[in-house]
Amino acid sequence: EADIYQTPRYLVIGTGKKITLECSQTMGHDKMYWYQQDPGMELHLIHYSYGVNSTEKGDLSSESTVSRIRTEHFPLTLESARPSHTSQYLCASTRGTNTGELFFGEGSRLTVL
Amino acid sequence: AQTVTQSQPEMSVQEAETVTLSCTYDTSESDYYLFWYKQPPSRQMILVIRQEAYKQQNATENRFSVNFQKAAKSFSLKISDSQLGDAAMYFCAYRSGKGAQKLVFGQGTRLTINP
Repeated sequence: EADIYQTPRYLVIGTGKKITLECSQTMGHDKMYWYQQDPGMELHLIHYSYGVNSTEKGDLSSESTVSRIRTEHFPLTLESARPSHTSQYLCASTRGTNTGELFFGEGSRLTVL
Repeated sequence: AQTVTQSQPEMSVQEAETVTLSCTYDTSESDYYLFWYKQPPSRQMILVIRQEAYKQQNATENRFSVNFQKAAKSFSLKISDSQLGDAAMYFCAYRSGKGAQKLVFGQGTRLTINP
């Protein structure tokens, strides 16, 4: 199994709450990614990072923000959650070579009431 | 922008039989990589097989093999001797050979294995 961890696995919260989804990897990977996935659907990239202090927005616009203060940690934050944010969020990392695979966490399934 | 299309939302196969999942992609680049990922229910997504575009030989990993047709921009996955543990969502993905190395995913195919 890959050494990349996401918490919480499941979260149900009310509208307007601030939430942070945690993602940590112990593989020393420089590149990390956040994907959003609706159940049974394709993955859409919302944020990525080349390394410490580097963050970029992905292909799908998102109201969430990310930070990368440490190599191993790449948290995602929603300042004010809304029902439209209900989805699964997948964190991934890679060594960075072209043929290097992405390692995925188990995902955080968020439900906003 | 690159796109990946999986035209089979669902597939089913009898245990021990062979199944092929389809994938087409669109790109103007010559340097890229293609992947098949497996997402079991409520479990981590894992890499099944990868193919470098510059390689003519089709990649093979045990019971999994691909049919890479570069001119047709087709990248199908063949699973031989299907097992119950193969049941999952399968995603085809594209990565450019330059830039941020972001993966672009297809819509996915849900594979069911019938005992």
